[in-house]
Amino acid sequence: DGGITQSPKYLFRKEGQNVTLSCEQNLNHDAMYWYRQDPGQGLRLIYYSQIVNDFQKGDIAEGYSVSREKKESFPLTVTSAQKNPTAFYLCATRGQYNSNQPQHFGDGTRLSIL
Amino acid sequence: AQKVTQAQTEISVVEKEDVTLDCVYETRDTTYYLFWYKQPPSGELVFLIRRNSFDEQNEISGRYSWNFQKSTSSFNFTITASQVVDSAVYFCALSEYYGGSQGNLIFGKGTKLSVKP
Repeated sequence: DGGITQSPKYLFRKEGQNVTLSCEQNLNHDAMYWYRQDPGQGLRLIYYSQIVNDFQKGDIAEGYSVSREKKESFPLTVTSAQKNPTAFYLCATRGQYNSNQPQHFGDGTRLSIL
Repeated sequence: AQKVTQAQTEISVVEKEDVTLDCVYETRDTTYYLFWYKQPPSGELVFLIRRNSFDEQNEISGRYSWNFQKSTSSFNFTITASQVVDSAVYFCALSEYYGGSQGNLIFGKGTKLSVKP
């Protein structure tokens, strides 16, 4: 099936621990995005990547890190520096960053603190 | 600065009622895109529509219709004859247009629609 796969669906983090959220796509899209959603809030952009080996900070990048070593993959690490990590995390892709196609989203990962 | 306001936090209707979700945006640019996404309880965001700032024609797709009015900076979404399956959170979003391509999305806080049988 073509699409965007986020894993795991649920993730628990202990205090002081780093955790990594996976986002994989087989759509051959260049651009990938990570958003954070808090209850009753809209989506806020954490990081985005236009092409392989390139990524840019979004509006709330502090406490997060990413890599883009492969076109298909854009993992997000929530570091211990992120003091309030409990949220729903959504990954999105778009064909090319400079295209006018809409973003398409994965099913999300829900992160909670133990 | 860009901003999207969805003043209705939650709306509850009975099946078969019509319902309109409001979206008001702010931008200094003359060229921009507006979007609506649906987030069902399962969590993924489903793309519904994109409209560019030069196209003020209203659009209808089945029971869904969109009313874009630049004069009031609004892009409202109407569901006709609502159904229980329409229950979801609906997000309006804006992106500006840089050098021939879309910028990043700015989302409103969403409107939670509950359709009761």
